[in-house]
Formats: sequence, C-alpha cells, structure tokens
Amino acid sequence: EVQLVESGGGLVKPGGSLRLSCAASGFTFSTYSLHWVRQAPGKGLEWVSSISSSSAYIYYADSVKGRFSISRDNAKNSLYLQMNSLRAGDTAVYYCASLLPYDYWGQGTLVTVSS
Amino acid sequence: DIQMTQSPSSLSASVGDRVTITCRASQGIRNDLGWYQQKPGKAPKRLIYAASSLQSGVPSRFSGSESGTEFTLTISSLQPEDFATYYCLQHNSDLYTFGQGTKLEIK
Repeated sequence: EVQLVESGGGLVKPGGSLRLSCAASGFTFSTYSLHWVRQAPGKGLEWVSSISSSSAYIYYADSVKGRFSISRDNAKNSLYLQMNSLRAGDTAVYYCASLLPYDYWGQGTLVTVSS
Repeated sequence: DIQMTQSPSSLSASVGDRVTITCRASQGIRNDLGWYQQKPGKAPKRLIYAASSLQSGVPSRFSGSESGTEFTLTISSLQPEDFATYYCLQHNSDLYTFGQGTKLEIK
C-alpha cells in the first residue's frame, strides 16, 4: 500500500521558519518527481514546488520562490520543504504528492502563520 | 506562467443531472491536464489524466475532453457521492497550475 505521511506542521510567527517532512512507502520513491501542494483554509489548491527524481530539477511557484526550499533523500524515502520568512498568506494545509504518472497524496499537515 | 481559468466556480445540480466543468488554458498545453475531485477534509483524487483518459477505478460516468486550449470534465449522471469540489491541473510547464475549483452542490 502506498503511503505518504507529512509531518512538521504547526503554529509559527510571521517571519519564522518551519521544515516539513514527507515519509513515503509502498512505491519506488527514487523513481518519481515529487511535489508540495497547499490549500489555504476554505480556498483552492495551489501547486508550490517540485523536485525531480535525482534532485536535478527543482521548481517553485512565484509565491514562494526565494523563501521555500524543496529537497529529498532517496535513501530515506523522504521529501522535505524548508519554509523561511513565513507570512500569514502561507497558512495552509500542505500536501506532498506524486502527481505523475501515479496519483499519490499524503493526508496533509497544517501550517498556521500567526502572531 | 500558464494560467488555468476554470468555470463555473460553483454549480447546483440534482442527482441524475449531466454536468460540465471547463478549464481554459492561457496557452497551448497539449493534453497535459488532469481532473481532480476533492471532498472536505480529504486529499484530492485524480479522475482523469492526459485530458481524456479515465483513471483506474473511477466510474465511467466521468469523462474528459479537449478542444484546443479548452478542457471539459463531464459527469453524465450525477450520483450523491459526486458532490464535491473539482479542479483541473496543467502539467505542461515546469510550473504546474491548478484551476480555481468548481464546487458542485446539491440542488
């Protein structure tokens, strides 16, 4: 059974940092590109970032570029998102996902940015 | 960046109705588009990939089509479990983009 389990969410003050993790199992983790997708409360889905299987290609949405950093450890079957200079607008549930070719999603972890 | 304009933003319909949701891309994206269903408190689930291919296990009442830069999700006969929010996602560019979502509600 495929599982993606996010962790690391929580309450952080504006300007603070947080590191999200996503532990994967049940599929060949090192083969696929992976993504972070977020959803602000009551809002739609927003693609945040992606990383290729070997970490050679990394992309960010304009809204997080320069503040967020995606990485992965294929030996540990883990995906990460380092989030710096957090703003209230970053408050959201963050999902890790494998979007292509298969459709695998975690359950999400809530990040709340508030003073 | 590629923009995806999804319409309508909300839709009221009855069980048994046929409904159509549309996404228009700001430029050509070939067939690099998927349709997702999301229920409250749950992760999204892909229904359609490559614009018109049905994901395994998804009921055949769901279908997708494309015409140029316009993509359509059709539900042929709404069932109670279909009331949810639907999103398109383009993956033609390195920066992926979701549509704004369509909330499908019971009339």
